Amino acid sequence: DQQVKQNSPSLSVQEGRISILNCDYTNSMFDYFLWYKKYPAEGPTFLISISSIKDKNEDGRFTVFLNKSAKHLSLHIVPSQPGDSAVYFCAASGGAAGNKLTFGGGTRVLVKP
Amino acid sequence: KAGVTQTPRYLIKTRGQQVTLSCSPISGHRSVSWYQQTPGQGLQFLFEYFSETQRNKGNFPGRFSGRQFSNSRSEMNVSTLELGDSALYLCASSKNTAGGYGYTFGSGTRLTVV
Repeated sequence: DQQVKQNSPSLSVQEGRISILNCDYTNSMFDYFLWYKKYPAEGPTFLISISSIKDKNEDGRFTVFLNKSAKHLSLHIVPSQPGDSAVYFCAASGGAAGNKLTFGGGTRVLVKP
Repeated sequence: KAGVTQTPRYLIKTRGQQVTLSCSPISGHRSVSWYQQTPGQGLQFLFEYFSETQRNKGNFPGRFSGRQFSNSRSEMNVSTLELGDSALYLCASSKNTAGGYGYTFGSGTRLTVV
């Protein structure tokens, strides 16, 4: 049972444009959501998070939106840069899951110069 | 400050053998979690330790075990290795255990079972 899903395995975007990554979850008890960025042969790097009591969180070029009624969150990267090319994972925690992170399958982003 | 250190970085083992992976968390971090990444299953939670106690465990067989020492360093052990255990094993540490926020991941140990 995949509780966190990223339905787009890949995304290609032109440098300077917006990248939008989507994530859906099924467990309504999740109360914390995070986005991680991962390069090959490295561990995931934390990008941005959002608590379930908020619907938006912004940090520089990164903004995460949470729609609890739809059980959907998205990550916006504006403007996209070539260094953003990586695999992005959304993750959720809370409820019976406690502090363990439940990850989506990842979206590979390619930013073209 | 030093990040999360995992050793070894790469490992090749034969089916049936056992393996021990090591994780040194960031100084001051008392929570250590382990994750397995495979192409088919993605990133999956193995277990979490806090102050030498296992606080949470994922859906993995008993061949997978772990422990945490008083200095917060952690080890995970896989016995009777199977080909399907080939994966990137990631360790993450955190100062506290709230909501997964603040987890810092190591670079992982790439285990290949032949």
